[in-house]
Amino acid sequence: DTEVTQTPKHLVMGMTNKKSLKCEQHMGHRAMYWYKQKAKKPPELMFVYSYEKLSINESVPSRFSPECPNSSLLNLHLHALQPEDSALYLCASSRTGHSSYEQYFGPGTRLTVT
Amino acid sequence: SQQGEEDPQALSIQEGENATMNCSYKTSINNLQWYRQNSGRGLVHLILIRSNEREKHSGRLRVTLDTSKKSSSLLITASRAADTASYFCATDAEETSGSRLTFGEGTQLTVNP
Repeated sequence: DTEVTQTPKHLVMGMTNKKSLKCEQHMGHRAMYWYKQKAKKPPELMFVYSYEKLSINESVPSRFSPECPNSSLLNLHLHALQPEDSALYLCASSRTGHSSYEQYFGPGTRLTVT
Repeated sequence: SQQGEEDPQALSIQEGENATMNCSYKTSINNLQWYRQNSGRGLVHLILIRSNEREKHSGRLRVTLDTSKKSSSLLITASRAADTASYFCATDAEETSGSRLTFGEGTQLTVNP
């Protein structure tokens, strides 16, 4: 199984809502990533978890809160978002956190903040 | 920033033709990867080339790397309509601890049937 799954596929939320994005992989990978991608732009790294520990936070605002409950799951908790946070949120995983390994991406969650 | 720059930004060709995309970067790297993204979907890894390699092949894909010029190219031969997608190069930096890939701006390839 070389699949990374993400739920939901689409999410519309108001600026006062709290929601969560979920990501799951069963490839035994020990590194997981959150990226944000705006239309016609490349993905931008947000967070990296390596062996279930947060190893990189790219100065992401605190209204985004990542969580890695176990080696297969990755969540992104959202609270008090702004309209400019509307984007495609991509989850990825790799064998380890070393960049010599390819990353496997999920299909993404299309987030719209109203 | 060592973010890669890609050219062209957009490329439109006929089925059967070859497509070449270029990527330039700014700092020394450990390796360079190419990814494909179909519209609004996740990225798919195509090929990884290490800094000590000059050329790599995978099926209809050929990637070259010139570390002296800090550039790479992706060649897709005998293109198909299904190759229509955005193509991104991604680099890591020698001085970082790994994990951090930086993606180029991407090339939008359209293959017309």
